[in-house]
Amino acid sequence: AQSVTQLGSHVSVSEGALVLLRCNYSSSVPPYLFWYVQYPNQGLQLLLKYTTGATLVKGINGFEAEFKKSETSFHLTKPSAHMSDAAEYFCAVPGTGRRALTFGSGTRLQVQP
Amino acid sequence: DAGVIQSPRHEVTEMGQEVTLRCKPISGHNSLFWYRQTMMRGLELLIYFNNNVPIDDSGMPEDRFSAKMPNASFSTLKIQPSEPRDSAVYFCASRGDSRSSYEQYFGPGTRLTVT
Repeated sequence: AQSVTQLGSHVSVSEGALVLLRCNYSSSVPPYLFWYVQYPNQGLQLLLKYTTGATLVKGINGFEAEFKKSETSFHLTKPSAHMSDAAEYFCAVPGTGRRALTFGSGTRLQVQP
Repeated sequence: DAGVIQSPRHEVTEMGQEVTLRCKPISGHNSLFWYRQTMMRGLELLIYFNNNVPIDDSGMPEDRFSAKMPNASFSTLKIQPSEPRDSAVYFCASRGDSRSSYEQYFGPGTRLTVT
């Protein structure tokens, strides 16, 4: 079954610092990869997605992620963190057969002033 | 577009009571998903409908849980009887019918507290 692993359940950065949230997937064929963001007391919102083509994907709010097949990774980055980026971030891949999504365990990002 | 609509946003009930959560998917979407989110277990898929038909309910915890989708614009998740361990945030999500699309759109969730 396809799955994703998010390294680090909590990440803390200073405002203005680089944000790096890690996601590794297990599958020989990753047709689609997703990052979702969940702000406090809200539902999940799509941040960006990889389907085919360019391996560097740009999303909303200045986030981007790079699909690296050789490393089976899809890490999320942002050059300069903002206080409003504090949220929980989920990596996801399509589940086998069901066309549902399998989500990682999430990474909570804290941004220190 | 109003997005996925869920009601109520918050529900507090006593153990043993029946709880009904409601979801209106995005118009035109033909797949609907119910998820449960807790600190301990994270985000779990409970059930998945396609064209109003339940496709996979293997994530439904036990017989106390049931879900229906009587038409393309409405779904319910019922818990009867409710127990304190059912306390969680329940999300509904919908998706369009593109063969190449897995992207889901989430509602704001219903925070359920069973005392």
